[in-house]
This record gives sequence, C-alpha cells and structure tokens, in this order.
Amino acid sequence: DTGVSQDPRHKITKRGQNVTFRCDPISEHNRLYWYRQTLGQGPEFLTYFQNEAQLEKSRLLSDRFSAERPKGSFSTLEIQRTEQGDSAMYLCASSLGLDTGELFFGEGSRLTVL
Amino acid sequence: GDSVTQMEGPVTLSEEAFLTINCTYTATGYPSLFWYVQYPGEGLQLLLKATKADDKGSNKGFEATYRKETTSFHLEKGSVQVSDSAVYFCALSDLVTGGGNKLTFGTGTQLKVEL
Repeated sequence: DTGVSQDPRHKITKRGQNVTFRCDPISEHNRLYWYRQTLGQGPEFLTYFQNEAQLEKSRLLSDRFSAERPKGSFSTLEIQRTEQGDSAMYLCASSLGLDTGELFFGEGSRLTVL
Repeated sequence: GDSVTQMEGPVTLSEEAFLTINCTYTATGYPSLFWYVQYPGEGLQLLLKATKADDKGSNKGFEATYRKETTSFHLEKGSVQVSDSAVYFCALSDLVTGGGNKLTFGTGTQLKVEL
C-alpha cells in the first residue's frame, strides 16, 4: 500500500504521560500536515511541513505539542503531559508541493487520555 | 477567520433518492472550495473541488457549484447508492494567497443510504 500510514492506530494513556505518533506520507509528497479531529467536529489544522521545514503552526498547537520531520520523510507528533482534552483523532495528510487543495489523508491515530 | 457551516446529519435516504447536503462559508480573500468524503474505515479523500465563482466541480455523479453571491457550495447527487454511505466534509482553502493547502473544514454530514 502506498498511501499515508499512521502508527499507532489507537493509543490509550493516562493523564500526564507523553505520547508520540508517527506518520509516513506518500513517498513523493514533500508537504505533510497534521490535523486534529474531535467527536462531531471536522478536522482542525495543527501544523504543516514543506520537506523538513515546519512552515506554519496553529494556535491550537500548545507548547506541550511538538512535531518534527527530520529528513523530510516521516513525521512525528509528540504530546507531553497529556490532558483529557487531548483525546481526539490525530490525522496526518500529505500532498505534492502544489497549491491544489488535494490532501491525501491517513486513517488517523486515535488518542484516549484517561 | 474563515469558517464553513454544514447541515447537520445524519441524513438517511433510500437508494436512488436525490441528495443535497448544504454548505455555506465565510472567508476573506478568494477561497477555493472542496468536498471531501470519508468512507467507513478509510481516510478522508477529495471528492470534488471548485476554485472560482460559478465553477462546478463534479465526480462520481456528485456535483457542487461555487455560488459567491450566496457563499454556498451545496453537494448534490441525482440518485444515491448504498455505497455512497459515508461522512461528507465541506472545506475551503485560500490557494491564491498561499494557503499552502491548509484546509478549513465543516463539521461533516453523515449520509446513510438504505435499500
């Protein structure tokens, strides 16, 4: 399968723990995006990368959140000191470096904070 | 800021019925408009798009027309099938001013099509 893959698909953690999600984009795509989706809501933009450069971060991305894309390939999203309000689906998407609006999404990583 | 409002679901239809899912938007600048679809167990995927006023996007029998005067982009299909059951998201992006494919989504509308 050559689509966007995310790991793990589901993570259950206790409040205060750190979690990390990984995203592998489509190989020829140089842009990578993270979105968050809570129940009953649409996806909300968190951040995006062009190659290894993080070009934009949403105000939703508090200082407990950090995203990296060290070699311009896969990306990680880390959440430190998780809170119950962090429970959500974290979506990764990738695209070519063209402003067409077409993003290719993975199936998401669901985080449950107890 | 930019926002998208969709009709609430779930929408339940019989097979071969006509579908309309309403979408209106608020944006500064010149947004492009999109419909994304999420089938059960799959990631979101682009269904159709329109980049300027009066453009019509179409795909798989679905259509939507960019109406600047009413700030709307309603999704329509003349005859739905059970396989169309999914969640549909309306979205916008300001591609002209370098939105970088950053999308603003509506809340989604679940469609259930029954035999």
